[in-house]
Amino acid sequence: KNEVEQSPQNLTAQEGEFITINCSYSVGISALHWLQQHPGGGIVSLFMLSSGKKKHGRLIATINIQEKHSSLHITASHPRDSAVYICAVRSAGSGGSNYKLTFGKGTLLTVNP
Amino acid sequence: NAGVTQTPKFRILKIGQSMTLQCTQDMNHNYMYWYRQDPGMGLKLIYYSVGAGITDKGEVPNGYNVSRSTTEDFPLRLELAAPSQTSVYFCASSYPQGGYTFGSGTRLTVV
Repeated sequence: KNEVEQSPQNLTAQEGEFITINCSYSVGISALHWLQQHPGGGIVSLFMLSSGKKKHGRLIATINIQEKHSSLHITASHPRDSAVYICAVRSAGSGGSNYKLTFGKGTLLTVNP
Repeated sequence: NAGVTQTPKFRILKIGQSMTLQCTQDMNHNYMYWYRQDPGMGLKLIYYSVGAGITDKGEVPNGYNVSRSTTEDFPLRLELAAPSQTSVYFCASSYPQGGYTFGSGTRLTVV
């Protein structure tokens, strides 16, 4: 079982809809990252979270440490939001491993006009 | 501010050939990483470095080598390329507890 599970794997929405992508993880973490990858493109960091909630424009990320769960929300979705969204966690603990990321497989979002 | 620069963007190799993927960052990040991304899979760590002169294996190091002679540069060497190394390769850098910056990726095909 992957340490980081994302759902759904694929998501199709109409422009303007509210989008939620979920991420569950099984290990103790020091931080969780949400990343965006456009088709054939590079990877861009959207958020780094260790608690609570962060907002940037139409994107909102939340995390519940006790439940080992995070969500990425997109309000008023737009076709340019079409991309793969990737959840990644940095494990807790000291020493040499707590800066490496473990990645989910990604959620492919398609927003139709 | 260039961030993380990877070259080349695309490359086709024949089985048994060798090549070096270049990665340079200008943010003075201590930590640098090489990941590979295969279809339907999460990114997998190949090698990482916590500073100049220090490198270590990740999850999938076989068939690869790295060096870190300066803070800025972290090249990835493929020796004796195999079809299993067909993938998209990403270099990234970070501060120890900070956010990551990724390069734009190198799409490698081994035929």
